Amino acid sequence: GNSVTQMEGPVTLSEEAFLTINCTYTATGYPSLFWYVQYPGEGLQLLLKATKADDKGSNKGFEATYRKETTSFHLEKGSVQVSDSAVYFCALSDNGGGGADGLTFGKGTHLIIQP
Amino acid sequence: EPEVTQTPSHQVTQMGQEVILRCVPISNHLYFYWYRQILGQKVEFLVSFYNNEISEKSEIFDDQFSVERPDGSNFTLKIRSTKLEDSAMYFCASRLSGDTQYFGPGTRLTVL
Repeated sequence: GNSVTQMEGPVTLSEEAFLTINCTYTATGYPSLFWYVQYPGEGLQLLLKATKADDKGSNKGFEATYRKETTSFHLEKGSVQVSDSAVYFCALSDNGGGGADGLTFGKGTHLIIQP
Repeated sequence: EPEVTQTPSHQVTQMGQEVILRCVPISNHLYFYWYRQILGQKVEFLVSFYNNEISEKSEIFDDQFSVERPDGSNFTLKIRSTKLEDSAMYFCASRLSGDTQYFGPGTRLTVL
C-alpha cells in the first residue's frame, strides 16, 4: 500500500536558518505529492504540490522537488522566520486527483523557530 | 476567501454514546472527505463522498461510522456508539475537481 515517511520532530531552528524536512514515499502508481502546513489552532493548509517527476512546487519561500528516482519530496526554505513555526505534513494522492481517493499523510513534523 | 468550517471545535462524550460531527464544505465543491488524527499519530483517511454516495472508505470506517449530506450544504460524520479509541481530531475536507483538498480546522473528539 501507499505510505509516507517524514522526519520526526520537533525541529528547532534559529531565525534565518536553512530548513530541510525530509519526506519519502511508497506508492503503487504515479502519485501527486503535497506539503500541508498546520498553524496552531487552524486546519491543514496546502503549502505546495507537485504532480509529476522533476516538478518543483514552491510557495512562500518554501520549495520541494518531486524526485522519482529517490521517491522523495523534501521541503526546503533558505531562511526561516518565527512565523513559519507550525506542523508540516507530507502527503500523496495516488490517482492525481482524478477520482475521490483520500490523501496518505506522514506523521507531521513540528517546526519551532526561535528568534 | 471561502473556507471549510467544522462544528463543534471540541466534543466530549461518554463511551457508547452517538456523536455527529458537522462540516460545511466550500459551496461549489464536489468531493468531500473525513480524516482523523489520533494524538501523536498520522492523519488517516476515513471516507470520501461524491455524488451523494460513498466513493471510497478505509478499514477504519466500519459499521459504527456513517456519513451524510442531508441538505446540500452540510456534510456530517456520525459515530453510532463511541469507543475510547475514537478519541481523535477529525478533519473534514472538500475538493472541486483538481487534486487540492481544502481542510477545515478540525473537531477534537474526547471519549470518556
